[in-house]
Amino acid sequence: EAGVVQSPRYKIIEKKQPVAFWCNPISGHNTLYWYLQNLGQGPELLIRYENEEAVDDSQLPKDRFSAERLKGVDSTLKIQPAELGDSAVYLCASSSRAKGDEQFFGPGTRLTVL
Amino acid sequence: AQSVTQLDSQVPVFEEAPVELRCNYSSSVSVYLFWYVQYPNQGLQLLLKYLSGSTLVKGINGFEAEFNKSQTSFHLRKPSVHISDTAEYFCAAKKAAGNKLTFGGGTRVLVKP
Repeated sequence: EAGVVQSPRYKIIEKKQPVAFWCNPISGHNTLYWYLQNLGQGPELLIRYENEEAVDDSQLPKDRFSAERLKGVDSTLKIQPAELGDSAVYLCASSSRAKGDEQFFGPGTRLTVL
Repeated sequence: AQSVTQLDSQVPVFEEAPVELRCNYSSSVSVYLFWYVQYPNQGLQLLLKYLSGSTLVKGINGFEAEFNKSQTSFHLRKPSVHISDTAEYFCAAKKAAGNKLTFGGGTRVLVKP
């Protein structure tokens, strides 16, 4: 079974530029999560999707961050415009109710904003 | 609201020595508890989890953890570490009736030869 796929793995951009991250969850997993992991800290949930519906986006900074999960499979997380403080690792995870909601994580996208 | 505290940010340990990583949680409701490992430049991998039943939980790679309700702790142990156990370890909790994982700040384990 293929794991959670994320791309790109690394991204370096100038501040004020837009950036997008892509996530392909494990096949059949209806729940998808985006996490932010700052250096030396644990992941923090940004948004959770149940199929195509965002059911928890309370921690997503909506002035510059947006996300979508069209067709309830792949998801894209966007930042526009990026700020220096957005430098971090962005993790995607997915889970399935049928498998006890255990979350499987992708390798992450490491964003550096210069 | 729940919170998770990992008491040690770094733990240096010699190869073949035992290691214990401490985790305390706070929650007003029943929680499920997890330990994840993160190797450099990789995502998180589940080591073990406590949902209910026996308070001693065995996981992958020789790790085990003990749930202690009275002390609200879920410490992770391994009797003999290998160089390959060098990684960051995260304790996490979620409400039994929810999906949201709350993570601790992580403990970096450095295994020395």
